[in-house]
Amino acid sequence: EAQVTQNPRYLITVTGKKLTVTCSQNMNHEYMSWYRQDPGLGLRQIYYSMNVEVTDKGDVPEGYKVSRKEKRNFPLILESPSPNQTSLYFCASKARTSGSLGGELFFGEGSRLTVL
Amino acid sequence: AQSVAQPEDQVNVAEGNPLTVKCTYSVSGNPYLFWYVQYPNRGLQFLLKYITGDNLVKGSYGFEAEFNKSQTSFHLKKPSALVSDSALYFCAVSSPGGYNKLIFGAGTRLAVHP
Repeated sequence: EAQVTQNPRYLITVTGKKLTVTCSQNMNHEYMSWYRQDPGLGLRQIYYSMNVEVTDKGDVPEGYKVSRKEKRNFPLILESPSPNQTSLYFCASKARTSGSLGGELFFGEGSRLTVL
Repeated sequence: AQSVAQPEDQVNVAEGNPLTVKCTYSVSGNPYLFWYVQYPNRGLQFLLKYITGDNLVKGSYGFEAEFNKSQTSFHLKKPSALVSDSALYFCAVSSPGGYNKLIFGAGTRLAVHP
């Protein structure tokens, strides 16, 4: 089954304690992206990756890091989490095929993070 | 700059009645427009998209959307609502060359009452 898998789904942590949210897709997609969802703000892009070893900032990258060492994985790293990073996080992927600028995103189930 | 507006936080409709969820956009050039749906505790699911061609686009679960270039709108519609359609709906836009840039609206919660 084609899917994007995120872990953990739920996490409560404390300020300053480094954490990683993993994301893995089994569709051989080149493009992967992280979003955060906050009430009234919709989804905002944090980072994206066009392919292995190629990453770039989205609209709200501050406080986050990513890496893309393998095509299927795109972990989101919070080096020193703060309460304003409490949010619902989504990983998404899509194929980068020729002429497919309009390809749809496939989303994971989300990771709800609370930073105390 | 690209932007998307969903003017209604919530839409209430009775089961069996037609529904409309509104979306307007601002983008330079020809837009690529999308609708996604989010059910409780789930990720977003793709519903439909407009890239080019017919202004009326049909998608999953009986939904359709009409692209109106003069009004810069892409409203989501369904002729007969089901209780199971109750969810959070997001409109999104990107522009040619903006492959990596999909801008989402704030979302509209659809509540279908029996």
